[in-house]
Amino acid sequence: AQSVTQPDIHITVSEGASLELRCNYSYGATPYLFWYVQSPGQGLQLLLKYFSGDTLVQGIKGFEAEFKRSQSSFNLRKPSVHWSDAAEYFCAVALNQAGTALIFGKGTTLSVSS
Amino acid sequence: EAGVAQSPRYKIIEKRQSVAFWCNPISGHATLYWYQQILGQGPKLLIQFQNNGVVDDSQLPKDRFSAERLKGVDSTLKIQPAKLEDSAVYLCASSSLLAGGPPYEQYFGPGTRLTVT
Repeated sequence: AQSVTQPDIHITVSEGASLELRCNYSYGATPYLFWYVQSPGQGLQLLLKYFSGDTLVQGIKGFEAEFKRSQSSFNLRKPSVHWSDAAEYFCAVALNQAGTALIFGKGTTLSVSS
Repeated sequence: EAGVAQSPRYKIIEKRQSVAFWCNPISGHATLYWYQQILGQGPKLLIQFQNNGVVDDSQLPKDRFSAERLKGVDSTLKIQPAKLEDSAVYLCASSSLLAGGPPYEQYFGPGTRLTVT
């Protein structure tokens, strides 16, 4: 069965420091890959997605993610974290079919210290 | 473009009571999803509609949960009777498969936070 693993439950970084959130997936082929962010009391907002092509994808709010097929990973990065980035981050995969629902990881909570 | 609307935003009920949630997807979006997000976990699909037909309800506890999407637009998710473990945020999402829209991108509503006491 398909699954998504986010190994880090909670990460704290200093404001201005770089950030990397890890995501690994288990699936027989390359799925579609997504990162979502959820602020308290808010719905999920799409940060970026990978379907095919260039393995480094750029998203909103200065985030980027790199797809590594050999490692079945899709890690999220940001060079300089802002206090407003504190939120919960979810990695998700969708099977390679139109309209297929997302399978989410358990999420990583990001805290930003000043 | 208006986003996905959900109501109510919060609901507190006692176990064994019933509750209903409403979702209005983005106009023109043919696919509608209901997800359950338990505290500390990622969202989990309950049911997926394509227009007014069910595509996937394999993870819907059908003995107590029901959902419908009349006329292929709005949707209602109902729980009857509720159990303590149903306490969660219920998220509605929609997506478009029409030409010109990004495939597989789902747009989420703000969710309904249910507390069962």
